[in-house]
Amino acid sequence: ETGVTQTPRHLVMGMTNKKSLKCEQHLGHNAMYWYKQSAKKPLELMFVYSLEERVENNSVPSRFSPECPNSSHLFLHLHTLQPEDSALYLCASSPILQGDQPQHFGDGTRLSIL
Amino acid sequence: EDQVTQSPEALRLQEGESSSLNCSYTVSGLRGLFWYRQDPGKGPEFLFTLYSAGEEKEKERLKATLTKKESFLHITAPKPEDSATYLCAVHKAAGNKLTFGGGTRVLVKP
Repeated sequence: ETGVTQTPRHLVMGMTNKKSLKCEQHLGHNAMYWYKQSAKKPLELMFVYSLEERVENNSVPSRFSPECPNSSHLFLHLHTLQPEDSALYLCASSPILQGDQPQHFGDGTRLSIL
Repeated sequence: EDQVTQSPEALRLQEGESSSLNCSYTVSGLRGLFWYRQDPGKGPEFLFTLYSAGEEKEKERLKATLTKKESFLHITAPKPEDSATYLCAVHKAAGNKLTFGGGTRVLVKP
């Protein structure tokens, strides 16, 4: 399997549930990212990891909790979400941080909050 | 504040009708400008990176150009399979983030 794989592809959850999104990259990259894509808004960067260390947190609410156990895997743990958190959550990776190489994206998890 | 603005928001073309998409940016110290294509239900797919003013890149019916303030994505004789949302993003010299524009939705009708 190649590229960036995200699971699940779709997720419906209540505001009190706890769930996790998973991202796996098979590109040998050292940097990984979480983005949020809402309708009619540009992609918003949420978190950046380099070599499993979080290097950026873009003022994201604490109900989103990232985890990067190794350079190939990235998780986004969700709890007590709000309806406005419904969106497409995209994972991306790049060879190194601050490099000139493009980021490669997965196909996202479509999240719906009831 | 860094800004990336794409225009138009939406573009309807007849098959074979060439056109251009615009990406205007204000960022200090541009390190790279990226074009992506995004199909419905999919993640963005990388198309081009441009690093300096005057640079051009081509791929099939697409050609990207860069000036000091904007980039254009030219679509020559488009086909229905070119229908997608095209995203522009900039990476500046300082910092870890890409700043994305809002995208241009392109629909090519046969």
